[in-house]
Amino acid sequence: EAGVTQSPTHLIKTRGQQATLRCSPISGHTSVYWYQQALGLGLQFLLWYDEGEERNRGNFPPRFSGRQFPNYSSELNVNALELEDSALYLCASSPTGARFGYTFGSGTRLTVV
Amino acid sequence: GQQLNQSPQSMFIQEGEDVSMNCTSSSIFNTWLWYKQEPGEGPVLLIALYKAGELTSNGRLTAQFGITRKDSFLNISASIPSDVGIYFCAVNNNAGNMLTFGGGTRLMVKP
Repeated sequence: EAGVTQSPTHLIKTRGQQATLRCSPISGHTSVYWYQQALGLGLQFLLWYDEGEERNRGNFPPRFSGRQFPNYSSELNVNALELEDSALYLCASSPTGARFGYTFGSGTRLTVV
Repeated sequence: GQQLNQSPQSMFIQEGEDVSMNCTSSSIFNTWLWYKQEPGEGPVLLIALYKAGELTSNGRLTAQFGITRKDSFLNISASIPSDVGIYFCAVNNNAGNMLTFGGGTRLMVKP
């Protein structure tokens, strides 16, 4: 069974540009979660999508947005990039309901210069 | 909001030593999970606990779900260099559809 896949692995952008990160969940998983991890520190919750709808949002500005497609894959968009947005962005998936935890992808390393 | 206090924040130990880390909360939870994140990778689920008082082992790892349902600990016996990483505890929210993570414990093992 394929795991959670994220692309690209690395992304370098200039301040002010937009970044698009992609995530494909495990087959059969309908929920996708996005987290930001800066400097190898804690996991900051960004967004949760389930069945194509945004279900919850973390404490991030509106320039962080995303969507979930009918095949349950997801995109995270970050507009007007700032230097502080440099981080590892992790995607995780689960069946609806997370009783048994999430499965994470390996992340996209975003560097803003 | 829900908050998990994970300690210690970091540990630097000698290979062969045992390790203990814990997670506490002011709220009651029905599920406790422990993840490990190796450098450059996403966190991987190590152990899941579903019953208060439950003690579960996975190789050299042992985790317990506190009897009060407000805490959990993770022990690693006879540490080896590949145990290096960040360990996160996590709980299910009351609706059971999202996880809240602790701040992580960074483990470093000296050969």
